Amino acid sequence: ETGVTQTPRHLVMGMTNKKSLKCEQHLGHNAMYWYKQSAKKPLELMFVYSLEERVENNSVPSRFSPECPNSSHLFLHLHTLQPEDSALYLCASSLLAGGGTGELFFGEGSRLTVL
Amino acid sequence: DAKTTQPPSMDCAEGRAANLPCNHSTISGNEYVYWYRQIHSQGPQYIIHGLKNNETNEMASLIITEDRKSSTLILPHATLRDTAVYYCIVRVAGGNQGGKLIFGQGTELSVKP
Repeated sequence: ETGVTQTPRHLVMGMTNKKSLKCEQHLGHNAMYWYKQSAKKPLELMFVYSLEERVENNSVPSRFSPECPNSSHLFLHLHTLQPEDSALYLCASSLLAGGGTGELFFGEGSRLTVL
Repeated sequence: DAKTTQPPSMDCAEGRAANLPCNHSTISGNEYVYWYRQIHSQGPQYIIHGLKNNETNEMASLIITEDRKSSTLILPHATLRDTAVYYCIVRVAGGNQGGKLIFGQGTELSVKP
């Protein structure tokens, strides 16, 4: 138990569906992240939120839409995805700098399959 | 952030020490060395980090060379549950971007009975 909870753990969706991934952290952290891990590939950083503001967007297609309503919750809204978007989506959180060591706490991930 | 180089895979006998090397020859003076591991189909797990001095915690030891161009993660008594992909990452600690980490391919460690 890392203190970062992701739901759902598994999701199957069609290319025309709209779904959302949810992440919640109970650690009092102020930074949250979305990473994507495709088969046999390294983790790819998608989005970074610091104090609920997006500070990084790594050229992610607009069919992925993040939302951070408060420092404890992070969503990834999905619409009109492609089969190649099938992957493990990982959420993480960390303390902000200014004393933070930069250690990231990851959730278990949401396994997405796009048909 | 500096790039790291790790062997793609390693084997280790159960109960023996696992020594995982990492080269980071372009590391800057303010960059830390972090190690994470990822057990199959789970999220990565923080193991240890260091700047200059060797570090030890309940999971592992981190040995950093004097010139800081390479490091070794040591699992003193590897168990089957230590089978995972181990990532060595260098980054600047601090700053307004919190703990942004860039992962490479890592080393796939297989602990065998």
